[in-house]
Amino acid sequence: AQTVTQSQPEMSVQEAETVTLSCTYDTSENNYYLFWYKQPPSRQMILVIRQEAYKQQNATENRFSVNFQKAAKSFSLKISDSQLGDTAMYFCAFTLPNTGNQFYFGTGTSLTVIP
Amino acid sequence: DGGITQSPKYLFRKEGQNVTLSCEQNLNHDAMYWYRQDPGQGLRLIYYSQIVNDFQKGDIAEGYSVSREKKESFPLTVTSAQKNPTAFYLCASRWGIGQPQHFGDGTRLSIL
Repeated sequence: AQTVTQSQPEMSVQEAETVTLSCTYDTSENNYYLFWYKQPPSRQMILVIRQEAYKQQNATENRFSVNFQKAAKSFSLKISDSQLGDTAMYFCAFTLPNTGNQFYFGTGTSLTVIP
Repeated sequence: DGGITQSPKYLFRKEGQNVTLSCEQNLNHDAMYWYRQDPGQGLRLIYYSQIVNDFQKGDIAEGYSVSREKKESFPLTVTSAQKNPTAFYLCASRWGIGQPQHFGDGTRLSIL
């Protein structure tokens, strides 16, 4: 079975500081794709970052970067210079190429940025 | 602009009534998905479709039905058999393997 675990239901960070959100996953497949999505209070799901499992280099998007540890099946998200607009639910997810396009989501981490 | 449109934004269901949530996309994506989101929980897959006239059940398909007659449209019907339909429903689409899902703005369904 494919599972995603986000062990931090809630987190907070001071504005301009750095925070890391944890994610672990379980799959027996070797090829897959990982994602972080952000869901602000408006409830719109917004893609934050994408990582291909066969690439060792960690993906970055402006202030967002990941620490991808394939052997440990870990995919954490680092947010640098946190801004008030980063306040949201963050979901970790992955998809396998050969499972009919299904995505597997974690239960989310609620992040609050404190002014 | 290309995107996914869900309607209505809010929907109320009476006892014993079926209701249909609309999802339309103009992104030319082949795959489409329906998720249910409850407070404190992640996204749970209801149904998904990889091509027109084909769809598969997800983890919580009981009490729901879908159709995929056109590439751009993937409506979800919440039937009276779904005893706890109050939730936030998200529709998504994706154009290819390994690509991210694009989401609509969601529909909030409540019981009258």
